[in-house]
Amino acid sequence: KQEVTQIPAALSVPEGENLVLNCSFTDSAIYNLQWFRQDPGKGLTSLLLIQSSQREQTSGRLNASLDKSSGRSTLYIAASQPGDSATYLCAGPLNDYKLSFGAGTTVTVRA
Amino acid sequence: DTAVSQTPKYLVTQMGNDKSIKCEQNLGHDTMYWYKQDSKKFLKIMFSYNNKELIINETVPNRFSPKSPDKAHLNLHINSLELGDSAVYFCASSSRTVQAFFGQGTRLTVV
Repeated sequence: KQEVTQIPAALSVPEGENLVLNCSFTDSAIYNLQWFRQDPGKGLTSLLLIQSSQREQTSGRLNASLDKSSGRSTLYIAASQPGDSATYLCAGPLNDYKLSFGAGTTVTVRA
Repeated sequence: DTAVSQTPKYLVTQMGNDKSIKCEQNLGHDTMYWYKQDSKKFLKIMFSYNNKELIINETVPNRFSPKSPDKAHLNLHINSLELGDSAVYFCASSSRTVQAFFGQGTRLTVV
């Protein structure tokens, strides 16, 4: 069974500061690692997908790393903006059929 | 074009009633899921289907019955609704090596 933990639970930073969100998982046999964003009252938007054979993925200001041996993934958001305020979720499935989610990190970027 | 669409978006109903939520994906994915997000915002898998076959049933009460008439649809029927069923229900789809896509959610309120 895969347990996914996200630290911190909440984060508040001034605009322009870089964000570092952490995700840890108990079973290193993950199939892939996905990061999602959820805005209040909305669905989940996929941000990045890292396959188990990869070490990182980048998309614009977002960079996610994966270290299977230590059971960790980190999402970096450079030069944060108020529009980055949301809850960020990671999911580390063991197979195709079950995404195991962390509880999320709620980010507030202050203007 | 909405990738994963679910209806209705909001559902308010009385205890004891039966209700259905519909989900459709136009991405050609072969795996579909139902997730429940409780008041603490934690996402927990309920069911996953692959090519119309039930793969995961995560100890969900028998009052919940998913049905997949084809690969693009996964509906959720709930009998004898209880107060504790109030939550946001998300449908999602994915395929091997491809990131998962989520619908916008159905907010179910049982009164």
